[in-house]
Amino acid sequence: GNSVTQMEGPVTLSEEAFLTINCTYTATGYPSLFWYVQYPGEGLQLLLKATKADDKGSNKGFEATYRKETTSFHLEKGSVQVSDSAVYFCALSDAGGTSYGKLTFGQGTILTVHP
Amino acid sequence: DAGVIQSPRHEVTEMGQEVTLRCKPISGHDYLFWYRQTMMRGLELLIYFNNNVPIDDSGMPEDRFSAKMPNASFSTLKIQPSEPRDSAVYFCASSSIEGANVLTFGAGSRLTVL
Repeated sequence: GNSVTQMEGPVTLSEEAFLTINCTYTATGYPSLFWYVQYPGEGLQLLLKATKADDKGSNKGFEATYRKETTSFHLEKGSVQVSDSAVYFCALSDAGGTSYGKLTFGQGTILTVHP
Repeated sequence: DAGVIQSPRHEVTEMGQEVTLRCKPISGHDYLFWYRQTMMRGLELLIYFNNNVPIDDSGMPEDRFSAKMPNASFSTLKIQPSEPRDSAVYFCASSSIEGANVLTFGAGSRLTVL
């Protein structure tokens, strides 16, 4: 079945540091890939997505590239801010069939950014 | 649109009591999902609906859990009887094919069973 594996957390950084959160996946077919972010006390919200190989999703300074050859979708940001402190989830969507619309999530990575 | 609306935001109940969580999806979305989030198990998909029909309920923990979607604008998740291990945050999310599988989550219902 489909699965998503994220790097172990928590991740603690100083403001303006470079961020990488690793994500690898196992899936049949050609899934779409997503990063969701969850701020304290809130639901998850879409951060960025990529729908096919070599696509780069980007939003709010975050980027991730869909690498089919390495089955990865690593999240990066060049300079983090305190306001980026949150839990980040990597996810994939089933490519079709009866599971269309269903997302498989990774376990989440807690990011804390200090001033 | 006001987004996905969940109620109650917080629920504290005693073991054995019935709990009903409610969700109003985004108008026009044809998929609705119920997730549970705990520190130990992370985010778990419990059940999801397409056009008000349950598609996959394999994540529902046991018969104490049930979910319904009587119409396109309302869904409930019921736990009867509740147990302390059911304590978690329950999220409802909706999506549409036209929206390319992007889930919109509600703010969640935090359940504490004493």
